[in-house]
Amino acid sequence: AQRVTQPEKLLSVFKGAPVELKCNYSYSGSPELFWYVQYSRQRLQLLLRHISRESIKGFTADLNKGETSFHLKKPFAQEEDSAMYYCALGEYGNKLVFGAGTILRVKS
Amino acid sequence: NAGVTQTPKFQVLKTGQSMTLQCAQDMNHNSMYWYRQDPGMGLRLIYYSASEGTTDKGEVPNGYNVSRLNKREFSLRLESAAPSQTSVYFCASSLARQGAQRGTDTQYFGPGTRLTVL
Repeated sequence: AQRVTQPEKLLSVFKGAPVELKCNYSYSGSPELFWYVQYSRQRLQLLLRHISRESIKGFTADLNKGETSFHLKKPFAQEEDSAMYYCALGEYGNKLVFGAGTILRVKS
Repeated sequence: NAGVTQTPKFQVLKTGQSMTLQCAQDMNHNSMYWYRQDPGMGLRLIYYSASEGTTDKGEVPNGYNVSRLNKREFSLRLESAAPSQTSVYFCASSLARQGAQRGTDTQYFGPGTRLTVL
C-alpha cells in the first residue's frame, strides 16, 4: 500500500530560522510527490511538485529515492509561511494520497 | 471564474438524518474528488469521479454515496449520518487528461463544508 508519513504534527520556529518539514513515502515504483499548503482562511492549494524542481515562495523539496523522502525546506522562515502543509503522493488514476499534515508556526 | 464551489459551508445533523453536499466546478475539469479532513489523519479520499458518468470508491467510502450529475457537478450524500462522520469535507477537481495518467494534474480545492453530527 502506498503511504505518506509526516512525523511532526506541529513545527514551531522563529522568524529567520531554517525550516524543514519532513515527508517519507512508501511506493513500489517511480513516485510523483507534491506539497500542498493551506493558509488560514484559504483553500488548500498546490505549493510545489517534485518533477518541476522549482522553488516556490523560497521553498524547495528534493526527492531522495534512497531514503524515500521528500522533505520541504526553506532557509529563512517568514511569518506568512505559517500554515498547514500536506505532503502527497500521486497514485494511478490521477489520485493523491495525503499525509497527516504538519502545522508550521513561525514566531516573531 | 469561481473555481470549485461547495454548499453548504456549515451543517449540523442529528444521528440518522440524511443530507447532500453539493460541489461544482467551472474549469471544465474531467475529474472530481471528495475528501474528508480529520485531525491527525490528513485528507482521505472518499469517492472520486475520473470523468463524467463514472464514479469509484476511495479509501473511506462506507456511509457515503456520490453522483456525478454532469461534468460540472459532483454531490456527496450521507444517507444516515453518524457521529463518526463529523468532519470537514472538501471537494476538488483536476483537468486529468485522458489516458494512463497518474497524479500529475494539480487538484483545485473548494472551501470545505464543516459537518457536525450529534
